[in-house]
Amino acid sequence: ELKVEQNPLFLSMQEGKNYTIYCNYSTTSDRLYWYRQDPGKSLESLFVLLSNGAVKQEGRLMASLDTKARLSTLHITAAVHDLSATYFCAVDPRSGTYKYIFGTGTRLKVLA
Amino acid sequence: NAGVTQTPKFRVLKTGQSMTLLCAQDMNHEYMYWYRQDPGMGLRLIHYSVGEGTTAKGEVPDGYNVSRLKKQNFLLGLESAAPSQTSVYFCASRVGGQGGTEAFFGQGTRLTVV
Repeated sequence: ELKVEQNPLFLSMQEGKNYTIYCNYSTTSDRLYWYRQDPGKSLESLFVLLSNGAVKQEGRLMASLDTKARLSTLHITAAVHDLSATYFCAVDPRSGTYKYIFGTGTRLKVLA
Repeated sequence: NAGVTQTPKFRVLKTGQSMTLLCAQDMNHEYMYWYRQDPGMGLRLIHYSVGEGTTAKGEVPDGYNVSRLKKQNFLLGLESAAPSQTSVYFCASRVGGQGGTEAFFGQGTRLTVV
């Protein structure tokens, strides 16, 4: 059974600081996705990572994928308050089941 | 485009009542999913479908049934609601095939079972 774990679950950081959110998964996959959810809202796609070594960047966020380690990271550079949200990773296993399994989420709060 | 639309947005049920949540997408996506979101639990997959007329169990299927009679619609049913089914329910859809694709989400349905 595919398990997807994120850490930390909660993150409170000062504006201007850097930090990394980690996403570990338990089965072979080279398809990893990151989503953002604002309080009371739905989820929106941030990044799609489809190969080992894939790196995507958008503004202050950068995501990467290491399929051998079964690990993806979401790095935040010089955080600003607008990045406060919950971030989820999701894994699409290659087993052919077509399941789309989410991690527990990381709730990020950026303090001014 | 409307994208993914969920009906209703809010609902309060009494224990033992039944209801159906409707998810409709206008993007011609093959794959559709139902999740529940509970505090500290992330999104957990209830059931999913990879095409019209097909459904499969996810991580937490007990107490729910689904149907996909039309490609654009995915229905989630609760036959006898229980307080443990109080949650926010999200529907999602994405393009089918072997390539990895992002999912598009509905706005959510907040369900309370009393």
